Amino acid sequence: DTAVSQTPKYLVTQMGNDKSIKCEQNLGHDTMYWYKQDSKKFLKIMFSYNNKELIINETVPNRFSPKSPDKAHLNLHINSLELGDSAVYFCASSRQERTEAFFGQGTRLTVV
Amino acid sequence: GENVEQHPSTLSVQEGDSAVIKCTYSDSASNYFPWYKQELGKRPQLIIDIRSNVGEKKDQRIAVTLNKTAKHFSLHITETQPEDSAVYFCAASGSGNTGKLIFGQGTTLQVKP
Repeated sequence: DTAVSQTPKYLVTQMGNDKSIKCEQNLGHDTMYWYKQDSKKFLKIMFSYNNKELIINETVPNRFSPKSPDKAHLNLHINSLELGDSAVYFCASSRQERTEAFFGQGTRLTVV
Repeated sequence: GENVEQHPSTLSVQEGDSAVIKCTYSDSASNYFPWYKQELGKRPQLIIDIRSNVGEKKDQRIAVTLNKTAKHFSLHITETQPEDSAVYFCAASGSGNTGKLIFGQGTTLQVKP
């Protein structure tokens, strides 16, 4: 009964490909996020959606496009993958601002 | 800009000793400060949080203190155990009502048996 689940867990792909990561939460939260964790473990926010509406877009290349079909889902599509995109991508959700964020298990993306 | 500095980057203690991790933040509007523990290959999980109207909060062996004037907050773990070994992240709420968290760089804690 996973609260925030994302798929796939591992993703290995070649440079130039397009890939998607899916995220779903069953907590009834209004806000969902994508975070990127680089090789040095640094966690940085990429996007935030509140009730399907984009509210944060940190300086992320426009090759990254989030999509929220409903407030329980937030997917991440990445075009023209580059070596530097290799990282662990975490989806998260929270009930509202300034409350606990629950993280998914992460997607380890490796671009070769 | 919004920034959270976390120290030390690595910390090694003997089992039973205390561990302290310190963070400073830049945005005076931040009012929510969670701490996350991330075990190897796992997701970050909240261990304790504090809001700006409180100076200290304790939960069993874990405590967090907040000094709003100095923009400092700290995590204290007492009677450390080997299972406390993990990466610990502090975070501060970002500006606006977005739920955005600004994370520190992380501290790798090793508790030696």
